[in-house]
Amino acid sequence: QKEVEQNSGPLSVPEGAIASLNCTYSDRGSQSFFWYRQYSGKSPELIMFIYSNGDKEDGRFTAQLNKASQYVSLLIRDSQPSDSATYLCAVNSSSYKLIFGSGTRLLVRP
Amino acid sequence: GAVVSQHPSWVICKSGTSVKIECRSLDFQATTMFWYRQFPKQSLMLMATSNEGSKATYEQGVEKDKFLINHASLTLSTLTVTSAHPEDSSFYICSSRDSYSYEQYFGPGTRLTVT
Repeated sequence: QKEVEQNSGPLSVPEGAIASLNCTYSDRGSQSFFWYRQYSGKSPELIMFIYSNGDKEDGRFTAQLNKASQYVSLLIRDSQPSDSATYLCAVNSSSYKLIFGSGTRLLVRP
Repeated sequence: GAVVSQHPSWVICKSGTSVKIECRSLDFQATTMFWYRQFPKQSLMLMATSNEGSKATYEQGVEKDKFLINHASLTLSTLTVTSAHPEDSSFYICSSRDSYSYEQYFGPGTRLTVT
């Protein structure tokens, strides 16, 4: 079983819609959770991090964490074509290393 | 977010030669830096964790004698690919962790092509 799982997609949504990206993790001791965006041919860019159960909002992005169910999600409101990218979920292990999921490809249709 | 630079952004070298890639954290002190490799259409693969002033910790399957890592200061880590071969062609990306947080910030990456 992979430590961090994501649906590879692609997830296709129309422009202006809400995109919902999900991630599950296996280590119950994980404390820190991150969402990175990676455009094709570029390196990952940190867009959100969350440490506590509940929701965390930053502009059009909302991260949601449920430690009991071991999932973390990212909502993108008012999706734009420029949001089309691969979104990587990452979880802190017991060290400072991040365990990455394989990513979900998001396509926002104009 | 924090700024991490990498140099060079791309490099082409001949088989058997060595290539050095630099990773710098520009606006914070990075106690720990990480080196990743990414092949086309695949996810990031952590190669090693680099701690300032100490030896790097390599992930299973990564040859430490082939991928030499030096982290001599709180702002600079280098990765040297020794005796490069075509199968080493990949996108190499470093990241830095702020000493006071868990977030990692990535450099722009170095695309290595070995001919």
